[in-house]
Amino acid sequence: EDKVVQSPLSLVVHEGDTVTLNCSYEVTNFRSLLWYKQEKKAPTFLFMLTSSGIEKKSGRLSSILDKKELFSILNITATQTGDSAVYLCAVVRQAGTALIFGKGTTLSVSS
Amino acid sequence: NAGVTQTPKFQVLKTGQSMTLQCAQDMNHNSMYWYRQDPGMGLRLIYYSASEGTTDKGEVPNGYNVSRLNKREFSLRLESAAPSQTSVYFCASPARWAGAGETQYFGPGTRLLVL
Repeated sequence: EDKVVQSPLSLVVHEGDTVTLNCSYEVTNFRSLLWYKQEKKAPTFLFMLTSSGIEKKSGRLSSILDKKELFSILNITATQTGDSAVYLCAVVRQAGTALIFGKGTTLSVSS
Repeated sequence: NAGVTQTPKFQVLKTGQSMTLQCAQDMNHNSMYWYRQDPGMGLRLIYYSASEGTTDKGEVPNGYNVSRLNKREFSLRLESAAPSQTSVYFCASPARWAGAGETQYFGPGTRLLVL
């Protein structure tokens, strides 16, 4: 059975901390892995990862994929209160099929 | 939420009532999806449509029906709402990138409360 597992399920940090969110997967016909941020509304796209070892960066956020060990991490440096959200990991299988989502990591950043 | 719209944004139903959630995309995509999101459960696929006129069950289809009457619209119907269907419902449509890439864009969501 295909599955995506995220850890931790929730996390509380102080502003300025660096956090690492984890996503492991077991799926057939893997094509890519996606990270989304969700703040009380629809998920918004962050990154798409298809190749191992290539880091994607956007400001203070970065992510990398390990296709051998079947996991990805999402790093957020110098966290801000605006980073408080649920971070979702999803795996894309063959084109045109639905995503498989993990349950998400709820990040709370306190000032 | 580029190109995916949903209505209504919020709905309260009594147990046993019926309703239809509407979704439309203007990106000319073949595939469309309905997910539900519950606390601690992530997003779970209810139904999907790979192309106009075709629909398939996802992970949690019981209690729902769908219609894909044209390429643009994909509706989700609750024939007899139950409290267990209280959830946030998202419609999504894919956007393919060059190569192996594909992501999905989500509509704004419908919050449904069944009393």
